[in-house]
Amino acid sequence: QVHLQQWGAGLLQPSETLSLTCAVYGGSFSGYYWSWIRQPPGKGLEWIGEITHSGSTNYDPSLKSRVTISVDTSKNQFSLNLNSVTAADTAIYYCARDLMWWGQGTLVTVSS
Amino acid sequence: QTVVTQEPSLTVSPGGTVTLTCASSTGAVTSGYSVNWFQQKPGQAPRALIYSTTNKHSWTPARFSGSLLGGKAALTVSGVQPEDEADYYCLLYSGDVRVFGGGTKLTVL
Repeated sequence: QVHLQQWGAGLLQPSETLSLTCAVYGGSFSGYYWSWIRQPPGKGLEWIGEITHSGSTNYDPSLKSRVTISVDTSKNQFSLNLNSVTAADTAIYYCARDLMWWGQGTLVTVSS
Repeated sequence: QTVVTQEPSLTVSPGGTVTLTCASSTGAVTSGYSVNWFQQKPGQAPRALIYSTTNKHSWTPARFSGSLLGGKAALTVSGVQPEDEADYYCLLYSGDVRVFGGGTKLTVL
């Protein structure tokens, strides 16, 4: 059974960098796409980007200039960094494996 | 950038059948695309239902099915149950980018 556990700072000020990490328990880390998705309060899902175990990435074009997704295969973890955040980045952030197994979500609020 | 459109809301009676659709701004959704469907209930993470347009996960109830219909991707729920009331999202694979639809709120009434 695959389990994804995510964590990171829940309150940020504008212009700071959002950093989240997702740890994977159960199953191989290789051969899958590891994704980040977010959901603003009361709104729909937004795909942020993905990474393979070898480090190949794809990002949503609207976020590409601010996003970095990285992987640490030695720890079975992958991470999301989103810089220069604004209130519009306030959302629940989810990590996922192949968009099949999902983390529990982390609410990140950007407010001064 | 591709925009994916879903019905904002649909209502169905228990035991009935309902079809949710997923359209792409770039044209017809064909077998060359891959579409996933997700179910999300309030306060919960999304749950994957369908992948690669028509394939079910091991946990997907048999009453859910994915297809292509009239140039769109479709999710059909046959014999709707009260617990199917939820938000449903499609995800379209468009090259190296994934795009979610705006979601459909399904009410079982």
